[in-house]
Amino acid sequence: QSALTQPPSASGSPGQSVTISCTGTSSDVGGYGYVSWYQQHPGKAPKLMIFEVSKRPSGVPDRFSGSKSGNTASLTVSGLQADDEADYYCSSYVGRSNLLFGGGTKLTVL
Amino acid sequence: QLQLQESGPGLVKPSETLSLTCTVSGGSISSSDYYWGWIRQPPGKGLEWIGAIYYRGTTYYNPSLKSRVIISVDTSKSQFSLKLSSVAASDTAVYYCARHVAYSTSHADYWGQGTLVTVSS
Repeated sequence: QSALTQPPSASGSPGQSVTISCTGTSSDVGGYGYVSWYQQHPGKAPKLMIFEVSKRPSGVPDRFSGSKSGNTASLTVSGLQADDEADYYCSSYVGRSNLLFGGGTKLTVL
Repeated sequence: QLQLQESGPGLVKPSETLSLTCTVSGGSISSSDYYWGWIRQPPGKGLEWIGAIYYRGTTYYNPSLKSRVIISVDTSKSQFSLKLSSVAASDTAVYYCARHVAYSTSHADYWGQGTLVTVSS
């Protein structure tokens, strides 16, 4: 099964908002409410930022928000800060006890 | 604070079996609320879910790796393990252990630091 589709890169200036998309099909993103987003800084383990499409774990700033429309999920980072510069990965349950990740998006804070 | 720590050889020869262990501390591996999984990341590439296990031993595997993967758990040692057989260069990756919440393919809220395994002769 192919990875979920994410843009390879995204960018924004400090204080701006940026949205990263994650496109799948009706068999994964569109079919289930189990999309998660992870932030990964270089050389570090991924960190959970959003789960079940739009829920934030304790400790994650409300500048991070998630949504879904049809087969595409989105992560929006508002009020960009320098430390938000990282790779971001989406994931989705795809049925048959399987989990699929996106290819990742490198977010650059200009 | 829950901590997960991967351990195992950093170099494996082609066609051999990769073996890693994840030690869980600061929390119970036998909690009914969690599953324990393995995720890998080839150098410079994206993440791939390998599989997960419930503390009672029920396993769930990525269909693309299922024929080569075995995940097991030892609750007495608070450890779970990964075995990947017949490895090739394409299995070179950073291997992470992680905790999945509520079911095997849910979000992973705690991760180990990762360990690089290189497949080379």
